[in-house]
Amino acid sequence: KNEVEQSPQNLTAQEGEFITINCSYSVGISALHWLQQHPGGGIVSLFMLSSGKKKHGRLIATINIQEKHSSLHITASHPRDSAVYICAVRYRGGSNYKLTFGKGTLLTVNP
Amino acid sequence: DGGITQSPKYLFRKEGQNVTLSCEQNLNHDAMYWYRQDPGQGLRLIYYSQIVNDFQKGDIAEGYSVSREKKESFPLTVTSAQKNPTAFYLCASSIRGLAGRNEQFFGPGTRLTVL
Repeated sequence: KNEVEQSPQNLTAQEGEFITINCSYSVGISALHWLQQHPGGGIVSLFMLSSGKKKHGRLIATINIQEKHSSLHITASHPRDSAVYICAVRYRGGSNYKLTFGKGTLLTVNP
Repeated sequence: DGGITQSPKYLFRKEGQNVTLSCEQNLNHDAMYWYRQDPGQGLRLIYYSQIVNDFQKGDIAEGYSVSREKKESFPLTVTSAQKNPTAFYLCASSIRGLAGRNEQFFGPGTRLTVL
């Protein structure tokens, strides 16, 4: 069964701390997505990557294809970063339209 | 502003009633999707549509139905055959092509509670 595992499940940090959220998957993929879900439920796409590293503001996403692992980093964390962060992958050879989602990491940043 | 709208945000229904959740997008996207989110679980695909008048079952289509008569609209009906309909439902869209490689845009979601 192709699965996406995220760690940690829950993460509490103090404002300003460097945050790392991890995602691992089981077989080859063609793309990996990082999503952010706010307390109200809306989801925003943060990154889509298939290799290397991407940066947007204080957010950095990396992927290691050989190790089947991706990380999402947040530098200088802020309370407004508090949200659920979700990793999703499209497995190579699977349906073109199917993403497999992790269960999410709940991040709480305290002031 | 371009985006996806879902209405209503909260919906309550009695057991045994069918209910239809609305999803509209003005992004000119060809592909649209319905996901279900339950506490402690990842999003699961219910149905998706790549183009008008065509749709495909996802992983958990039983007890649900959809239509795609217009490019902008992809309503989801939760039927009385769905055993556990209480959940958070998210609609998404993307440009046509390899959805896994194309960014998906999500709506704000509808929280359905069946009493």
